[in-house]
Amino acid sequence: AQSVTQPDIHITVSEGASLELRCNYSYGATPYLFWYVQSPGQGLQLLLKYFSGDTLVQGIKGFEAEFKRSQSSFNLRKPSVHWSDAAEYFCAVGSINDMRFGAGTRLTVKP
Amino acid sequence: KAGVTQTPRYLIKTRGQQVTLSCSPISGHRSVSWYQQTPGQGLQFLFEYFSETQRNKGNFPGRFSGRQFSNSRSEMNVSTLELGDSALYLCASSLGLENSPLHFGNGTRLTVT
Repeated sequence: AQSVTQPDIHITVSEGASLELRCNYSYGATPYLFWYVQSPGQGLQLLLKYFSGDTLVQGIKGFEAEFKRSQSSFNLRKPSVHWSDAAEYFCAVGSINDMRFGAGTRLTVKP
Repeated sequence: KAGVTQTPRYLIKTRGQQVTLSCSPISGHRSVSWYQQTPGQGLQFLFEYFSETQRNKGNFPGRFSGRQFSNSRSEMNVSTLELGDSALYLCASSLGLENSPLHFGNGTRLTVT
């Protein structure tokens, strides 16, 4: 069965510092992978997606993620974090009628 | 292009009552999915509809049901509400292909007292 693990429940970084959010997945075939962000009281917004091809994918708001099949990982990165990036981040795997989400990583940004 | 619209934003109901939530997808999107989000269980898939047909259903009791209309708008119904049904219910629309990204609404916050 497919599943997603986000090992970090909460991460705090200083504004301007780099960020990496971890995501590990379990899936039987080549996965469809996504990262979403959720601000308080809002729905989820798609940051980026990976289906196939280049393993480094670019998303919105300066985020990128790298697919590593050997490690079953799809980590999200950003070179310089802004205060507005404070939110909850969800990694997801699967198709539209069977999408599995990780438990989320809450990002706090220190001034 | 307008996003996914969910109504109402907030609902307070009493145990035993029933509730209907509404979702209007992005124009042109024929697939609508519903998710329940709680602090303890996270995001859990409820069901997905495409062209008025339920294509898949998550592991929820039969009290949770849904439907989709010919204009792709969808409703979700929960009958005989329980305290544990308190959650944020999120609707997401997509083009309906297997790898289509989901576009989420802002959700309906349901509180059962």
